[in-house]
Amino acid sequence: EAQVTQNPRYLITVTGKKLTVTCSQNMNHEYMSWYRQDPGLGLRQIYYSMNVEVTDKGDVPEGYKVSRKEKRNFPLILESPSPNQTSLYFCASSSMGSTDTQYFGPGTRLTVL
Amino acid sequence: GNSVTQMEGPVTLSEEAFLTINCTYTATGYPSPFWYVQYPGEGLQLLLKATKADDKGSNKGFEATYRKETTSFHLEKGSVQVSDSAVYFCALVYGGSQGNLIFGKGTKLSVKP
Repeated sequence: EAQVTQNPRYLITVTGKKLTVTCSQNMNHEYMSWYRQDPGLGLRQIYYSMNVEVTDKGDVPEGYKVSRKEKRNFPLILESPSPNQTSLYFCASSSMGSTDTQYFGPGTRLTVL
Repeated sequence: GNSVTQMEGPVTLSEEAFLTINCTYTATGYPSPFWYVQYPGEGLQLLLKATKADDKGSNKGFEATYRKETTSFHLEKGSVQVSDSAVYFCALVYGGSQGNLIFGKGTKLSVKP
């Protein structure tokens, strides 16, 4: 089954404790991206990647890192999480780029205390 | 900068009512418009899209026409069902497949039997 998976689905952590949210797709997509969803703000793009070893900032990249060492994986790294990063995070992938249909993961709800 | 403005919700309708959710955008070039839908507890999924001016996207009884003269991509459905209850997001890509996908804030629709 074609899908985007994220882990963990739920995470409660404390300020400053490094964490990684994994994202994996099995559709051989070149384009992957991360979004955060906050009430009243909709979805905002954090980072995106056009292909392996190619990443770029979205609208709200501060406090986040990403890497794209393999085509299927695109982990989101929070080196020193802060409470304002409490949010619902979605990974997405598409065949070629942002104009193609985006396939979203189920989301990761992160709470930073 | 580029932005997407969509009708604020929540919207509550009775089954079989007519639905319109407005979406307008700032125009710096020729963006590609989309509607995505998020059912409770799930990630977003593509509902419909348009590729050129005056193009009409349609899916599951929903329609939206890309109007460059009014910079709009309003979503309509003639007869909503309870199963249409979800959050609807208008989104646009500026700058082709390597551009950013910008989402509106979302409109929550509740359909009552």
